[in-house]
Amino acid sequence: DIQMTQSPSTLSASVGDRVTITCRASQSISRLLAWYQQKPGKAPELLIYKAASLESGVPSRFSGSGSGTEFTLTINSLQPDDFATYYCQQYHSFSRTFGQGTKLEIK
Amino acid sequence: QVQLVESGGGWVKPGGSLRLSCAASGFTFSDYYMSWIRQAPGEGLEWISDISSSGTSIYHADSLKGRFTISRDNAKSSLYLEMNNLRAEDSAVYYCAIQGYDETSPFGPWGQGTLVTVSS
Repeated sequence: DIQMTQSPSTLSASVGDRVTITCRASQSISRLLAWYQQKPGKAPELLIYKAASLESGVPSRFSGSGSGTEFTLTINSLQPDDFATYYCQQYHSFSRTFGQGTKLEIK
Repeated sequence: QVQLVESGGGWVKPGGSLRLSCAASGFTFSDYYMSWIRQAPGEGLEWISDISSSGTSIYHADSLKGRFTISRDNAKSSLYLEMNNLRAEDSAVYYCAIQGYDETSPFGPWGQGTLVTVSS
């Protein structure tokens, strides 16, 4: 299976900050990577697909980049609603795998 | 409006079985690949299985193959997950999700999940 490794595991930031989360794949996945946001007690929601395409309805302060094995999710000007856990996921392989998650906390 | 509603979760003893259902509405169910994903309490997300729009192609996580079986009924716009020989480590919230028109698609939207607890 392709291993997905996110860093950091926890990130403390303030409203208005710009933050970046990194996701590394154990082998090339081209651009077949998605990012999800999950709030406590809720289902995950798709933010980004194909590494950099913004899902409909997702604020433009979210952006994704990368290809091959290294990817980033950037959130510009953090809003109170953005404090949540973020997961990356590869869909290059038929055996889908997720990163372990990054919890974004209020500083 | 797309809606996915899981049901069938609950408490079961180790070695027992459960059948989860996911009722879909608000989109043409038969056009889309569908998936099951689970999340143990306090843990991350674990993909379980995908099924093609027609049901002819199925992909399972190797670790669960043989115990979990995905299926669908396009006439009823419903997705299913048959789970057998359940273990304590299968305790989790189980989500169904739309995967898209083909297997090179992400997951979304997701249902609200159904909780499965495996305990004696």
